[in-house]
Amino acid sequence: DVKVTQSSRYLVKRTGEKVFLECVQDMDHENMFWYRQDPGLGLRLIYFSYDVKMKEKGDIPEGYSVSREKKERFSLILESASTNQTSMYLCASSPSVGGYEQYFGPGTRLTVT
Amino acid sequence: GNSVTQMEGPVTLSEEAFLTINCTYTATGYPSLFWYVQYPGEGLQLLLKATKADDKGSNKGFEATYRKETTSFHLEKGSVQVSDSAVYFCALSERQAGTALIFGKGTTLSVSS
Repeated sequence: DVKVTQSSRYLVKRTGEKVFLECVQDMDHENMFWYRQDPGLGLRLIYFSYDVKMKEKGDIPEGYSVSREKKERFSLILESASTNQTSMYLCASSPSVGGYEQYFGPGTRLTVT
Repeated sequence: GNSVTQMEGPVTLSEEAFLTINCTYTATGYPSLFWYVQYPGEGLQLLLKATKADDKGSNKGFEATYRKETTSFHLEKGSVQVSDSAVYFCALSERQAGTALIFGKGTTLSVSS
């Protein structure tokens, strides 16, 4: 079974802090994604990566950056956390061939105070 | 651009009732279609998928048929259980490696005994 893990289930940070959210997948997938999920807005894509050291902006990249130094790991960085970044963050991975489905981690619920 | 529209919730049913959650899409080309389920406090799990017209995806008693003529992929279950209470997301893939899924906004299902 594909396994996607995220470093924290719950996180509380202060405004202005630098925040790192880590995601690891164990199925050698080429593609990895970061989404945020908010009530009434569904899932919105922040960034994705289709290869090591490659990244593409999604729909809402402002205030975020990402890092992919190894194939299995994709990090989301909030350079200076703000209260409007309080949300559920979901990581996903997918292979480059096959049915194009994505496999999700359990999510990190981030609260910025 | 491509998009997914699904019926707004919440949907409230009694145990053993019939479930339909409507999903329609707009896409160029021939997308793959998915239903994901999110149980409280968890990430998204792939429920079923269909990759071409007239395909029927099925899993755990849920079914959905890829209807190209009506651009629809409605989710159905003949007899829901309390344990089916969750948020359901319809999604499409443009069938290109390295592209993200496009999600509907989700439909909350609540089943009472």
